[in-house]
Amino acid sequence: SAVISQKPSRDICQRGTSLTIQCQVDSQVTMMFWYRQQPGQSLTLIATANQGSEATYESGFVIDKFPISRPNLTFSTLTVSNMSPEDSSIYLCSVAGTEEDTQYFGPGTRLTVL
Amino acid sequence: GEDVEQSLFLSVREGDSSVINCTYTDSSSTYLYWYKQEPGAGLQLLTYIFSNMDMKQDQRLTVLLNKKDKHLSLRIADTQTGDSAIYFCAEGNTGGFKTIFGAGTRLFVKA
Repeated sequence: SAVISQKPSRDICQRGTSLTIQCQVDSQVTMMFWYRQQPGQSLTLIATANQGSEATYESGFVIDKFPISRPNLTFSTLTVSNMSPEDSSIYLCSVAGTEEDTQYFGPGTRLTVL
Repeated sequence: GEDVEQSLFLSVREGDSSVINCTYTDSSSTYLYWYKQEPGAGLQLLTYIFSNMDMKQDQRLTVLLNKKDKHLSLRIADTQTGDSAIYFCAEGNTGGFKTIFGAGTRLFVKA
Protein backbone atom coordinates (compact mmCIF):
# COMPACT_ATOMS: atom_id res chain seq x y z
CA SER A 1 0.00 0.00 0.00
CA ALA A 2 1.01 3.62 -0.44
CA VAL A 3 1.48 6.18 2.31
CA ILE A 4 -0.23 9.42 1.38
CA SER A 5 0.05 12.74 3.15
CA GLN A 6 -1.93 15.91 2.59
CA LYS A 7 -1.33 19.50 3.57
CA PRO A 8 -2.99 21.34 5.14
CA SER A 9 -5.00 18.94 7.27
CA ARG A 10 -7.61 21.62 7.79
CA ASP A 11 -8.19 25.28 7.05
CA ILE A 12 -10.77 27.98 7.53
CA CYS A 13 -10.93 30.39 4.61
CA GLN A 14 -12.80 33.50 3.63
CA ARG A 15 -15.25 33.60 0.78
CA GLY A 16 -13.64 34.59 -2.52
CA THR A 17 -10.16 33.35 -1.67
CA SER A 18 -8.37 30.26 -2.99
CA LEU A 19 -6.69 27.37 -1.24
CA THR A 20 -4.14 24.93 -2.64
CA ILE A 21 -4.07 21.45 -1.16
CA GLN A 22 -0.97 19.32 -1.56
CA CYS A 23 -0.80 15.55 -1.84
CA GLN A 24 2.44 13.62 -1.46
CA VAL A 25 2.85 9.88 -1.99
CA ASP A 26 5.78 7.81 -0.75
CA SER A 27 6.12 5.95 -4.04
CA GLN A 28 5.65 6.64 -7.73
CA VAL A 29 2.08 6.08 -8.82
CA THR A 30 0.51 6.35 -12.22
CA MET A 31 -2.95 7.44 -11.21
CA MET A 32 -3.89 10.02 -8.61
CA PHE A 33 -7.39 11.21 -7.90
CA TRP A 34 -9.07 14.04 -6.03
CA TYR A 35 -12.36 13.47 -4.23
CA ARG A 36 -14.72 15.69 -2.33
CA GLN A 37 -16.66 14.47 0.68
CA GLN A 38 -19.35 16.94 1.64
CA PRO A 39 -20.76 16.84 5.16
CA GLY A 40 -22.80 13.70 5.72
CA GLN A 41 -22.39 12.62 2.13
CA SER A 42 -20.35 10.16 0.18
CA LEU A 43 -17.26 10.73 -1.88
CA THR A 44 -17.50 12.38 -5.25
CA LEU A 45 -14.67 12.16 -7.74
CA ILE A 46 -13.54 15.61 -8.84
CA ALA A 47 -10.84 14.66 -11.30
CA THR A 48 -8.03 12.32 -12.22
CA ALA A 49 -4.63 13.98 -12.04
CA ASN A 50 -2.48 12.96 -15.00
CA GLN A 51 1.27 13.34 -14.95
CA GLY A 52 2.44 15.52 -17.80
CA SER A 53 -0.98 16.45 -19.09
CA GLU A 54 -4.16 18.19 -18.01
CA ALA A 55 -6.36 16.61 -15.41
CA THR A 56 -9.50 14.78 -16.47
CA TYR A 57 -12.54 16.31 -14.78
CA GLU A 58 -15.78 14.62 -13.90
CA SER A 59 -19.14 16.04 -14.82
CA GLY A 60 -19.93 19.08 -12.73
CA PHE A 61 -16.31 20.01 -12.05
CA VAL A 62 -14.27 22.44 -14.14
CA ILE A 63 -10.63 23.38 -14.35
CA ASP A 64 -11.23 27.05 -13.61
CA LYS A 65 -12.75 26.18 -10.25
CA PHE A 66 -10.49 23.25 -9.36
CA PRO A 67 -7.13 23.62 -11.13
CA ILE A 68 -4.90 20.60 -10.59
CA SER A 69 -1.19 20.16 -11.00
CA ARG A 70 0.73 16.87 -11.32
CA PRO A 71 4.38 17.75 -11.82
CA ASN A 72 5.68 14.24 -11.11
CA LEU A 73 4.63 10.74 -10.14
CA THR A 74 4.61 11.37 -6.39
CA PHE A 75 2.94 14.78 -6.03
CA SER A 76 -0.22 16.63 -6.94
CA THR A 77 -2.03 19.78 -5.91
CA LEU A 78 -5.69 20.73 -6.02
CA THR A 79 -6.70 24.38 -5.81
CA VAL A 80 -10.18 25.37 -4.74
CA SER A 81 -10.67 28.77 -6.38
CA ASN A 82 -12.94 31.67 -5.52
CA MET A 83 -14.36 29.74 -2.60
CA SER A 84 -17.90 29.94 -1.32
CA PRO A 85 -19.45 28.28 1.74
CA GLU A 86 -20.73 25.51 -0.55
CA ASP A 87 -17.10 24.45 -1.04
CA SER A 88 -16.85 23.51 2.63
CA SER A 89 -15.96 19.86 2.50
CA ILE A 90 -13.26 17.29 3.06
CA TYR A 91 -10.97 16.97 0.06
CA LEU A 92 -9.27 13.62 -0.32
CA CYS A 93 -6.33 12.61 -2.45
CA SER A 94 -6.29 9.02 -3.63
CA VAL A 95 -3.92 6.80 -5.57
CA ALA A 96 -4.45 3.59 -7.43
CA GLY A 97 -3.17 0.40 -5.83
CA THR A 98 -1.34 -2.25 -7.76
CA GLU A 99 -3.99 -4.93 -7.60
CA GLU A 100 -7.71 -5.40 -8.06
CA ASP A 101 -8.16 -1.72 -8.87
CA THR A 102 -7.89 -0.83 -5.22
CA GLN A 103 -7.46 2.75 -4.15
CA TYR A 104 -5.67 4.23 -1.17
CA PHE A 105 -6.65 7.51 0.38
CA GLY A 106 -4.88 10.33 2.13
CA PRO A 107 -6.13 11.65 5.48
CA GLY A 108 -8.07 14.44 3.83
CA THR A 109 -8.13 18.22 4.10
CA ARG A 110 -11.07 19.63 6.00
CA LEU A 111 -12.00 22.98 4.46
CA THR A 112 -14.43 25.43 6.00
CA VAL A 113 -15.38 28.51 4.02
CA LEU A 114 -16.94 31.40 5.92
CA GLY B 1 -26.74 6.29 -13.39
CA GLU B 2 -24.82 4.14 -10.98
CA ASP B 3 -25.88 4.33 -7.36
CA VAL B 4 -24.76 2.74 -4.13
CA GLU B 5 -27.06 2.85 -1.11
CA GLN B 6 -26.48 1.98 2.50
CA SER B 7 -28.18 2.70 5.77
CA LEU B 8 -26.73 5.68 7.62
CA PHE B 9 -26.44 4.31 11.16
CA LEU B 10 -25.93 1.05 13.00
CA SER B 11 -25.57 0.59 16.74
CA VAL B 12 -24.35 -2.65 18.35
CA ARG B 13 -23.07 -3.82 21.72
CA GLU B 14 -19.44 -4.70 22.16
CA GLY B 15 -18.91 -8.39 21.46
CA ASP B 16 -21.93 -8.70 19.18
CA SER B 17 -21.72 -9.09 15.43
CA SER B 18 -22.35 -6.11 13.16
CA VAL B 19 -23.85 -6.45 9.73
CA ILE B 20 -23.67 -3.50 7.38
CA ASN B 21 -25.70 -3.76 4.21
CA CYS B 22 -25.32 -2.13 0.83
CA THR B 23 -27.15 -2.25 -2.49
CA TYR B 24 -25.77 -1.16 -5.83
CA THR B 25 -27.20 -0.71 -9.28
CA ASP B 26 -24.38 -1.30 -11.76
CA SER B 27 -24.49 -4.96 -12.70
CA SER B 28 -21.24 -4.61 -14.63
CA SER B 29 -19.24 -3.81 -11.51
CA THR B 30 -16.09 -5.87 -11.34
CA TYR B 31 -15.20 -5.27 -7.73
CA LEU B 32 -17.08 -4.40 -4.58
CA TYR B 33 -15.18 -2.73 -1.76
CA TRP B 34 -15.54 -1.90 1.88
CA TYR B 35 -13.67 1.10 3.25
CA LYS B 36 -13.42 2.28 6.85
CA GLN B 37 -13.08 5.92 7.84
CA GLU B 38 -12.16 6.70 11.42
CA PRO B 39 -12.72 10.21 12.80
CA GLY B 40 -10.33 12.72 11.26
CA ALA B 41 -8.73 10.15 9.00
CA GLY B 42 -8.90 9.19 5.35
CA LEU B 43 -10.50 6.06 4.00
CA GLN B 44 -8.82 2.76 4.70
CA LEU B 45 -9.46 -0.15 2.36
CA LEU B 46 -10.80 -2.97 4.54
CA THR B 47 -11.53 -5.64 2.02
CA TYR B 48 -12.87 -6.22 -1.45
CA ILE B 49 -14.60 -9.00 -3.34
CA PHE B 50 -14.51 -9.86 -6.99
CA SER B 51 -17.94 -9.88 -8.57
CA ASN B 52 -17.85 -13.59 -9.43
CA MET B 53 -17.43 -14.53 -5.77
CA ASP B 54 -20.22 -14.81 -3.26
CA MET B 55 -18.26 -14.79 -0.04
CA LYS B 56 -14.90 -13.69 1.29
CA GLN B 57 -13.65 -14.09 4.84
CA ASP B 58 -10.77 -12.18 6.34
CA GLN B 59 -10.28 -12.67 10.08
CA ARG B 60 -13.27 -11.00 11.77
CA LEU B 61 -14.66 -9.72 8.49
CA THR B 62 -17.03 -11.63 6.24
CA VAL B 63 -18.23 -10.17 2.97
CA LEU B 64 -21.30 -11.65 1.32
CA LEU B 65 -22.31 -10.79 -2.23
CA ASN B 66 -25.67 -11.56 -3.78
CA LYS B 67 -25.09 -10.56 -7.36
CA LYS B 68 -28.64 -11.36 -8.45
CA ASP B 69 -30.06 -8.90 -5.93
CA LYS B 70 -27.04 -6.55 -6.17
CA HIS B 71 -26.68 -6.77 -2.41
CA LEU B 72 -23.41 -6.64 -0.50
CA SER B 73 -22.93 -7.02 3.23
CA LEU B 74 -20.06 -6.71 5.67
CA ARG B 75 -20.19 -8.72 8.86
CA ILE B 76 -17.84 -7.84 11.69
CA ALA B 77 -17.62 -10.59 14.30
CA ASP B 78 -16.98 -9.77 17.96
CA THR B 79 -17.34 -6.04 17.35
CA GLN B 80 -15.03 -3.89 19.44
CA THR B 81 -15.16 -0.21 20.37
CA GLY B 82 -12.25 0.33 18.00
CA ASP B 83 -14.53 -0.71 15.15
CA SER B 84 -16.57 2.46 15.62
CA ALA B 85 -16.20 4.32 12.33
CA ILE B 86 -17.96 5.07 9.08
CA TYR B 87 -18.00 2.17 6.65
CA PHE B 88 -18.28 2.89 2.95
CA CYS B 89 -19.45 0.42 0.37
CA ALA B 90 -18.13 1.04 -3.14
CA GLU B 91 -18.31 -0.52 -6.57
CA GLY B 92 -15.80 -0.28 -9.35
CA ASN B 93 -14.77 -1.59 -12.74
CA THR B 94 -11.45 -2.84 -13.99
CA GLY B 95 -9.12 -0.18 -15.22
CA GLY B 96 -11.53 2.69 -15.14
CA PHE B 97 -11.25 3.61 -11.49
CA LYS B 98 -14.74 5.01 -11.68
CA THR B 99 -15.36 3.92 -8.14
CA ILE B 100 -18.82 4.82 -6.89
CA PHE B 101 -19.17 5.19 -3.16
CA GLY B 102 -22.18 4.89 -0.90
CA ALA B 103 -22.90 7.57 1.67
CA GLY B 104 -21.38 5.51 4.46
CA THR B 105 -22.81 3.70 7.48
CA ARG B 106 -21.81 5.09 10.85
CA LEU B 107 -21.22 2.21 13.25
CA PHE B 108 -21.60 2.92 16.95
CA VAL B 109 -20.27 0.28 19.35
CA LYS B 110 -21.60 0.46 22.89
CA ALA B 111 -19.47 -0.90 25.71
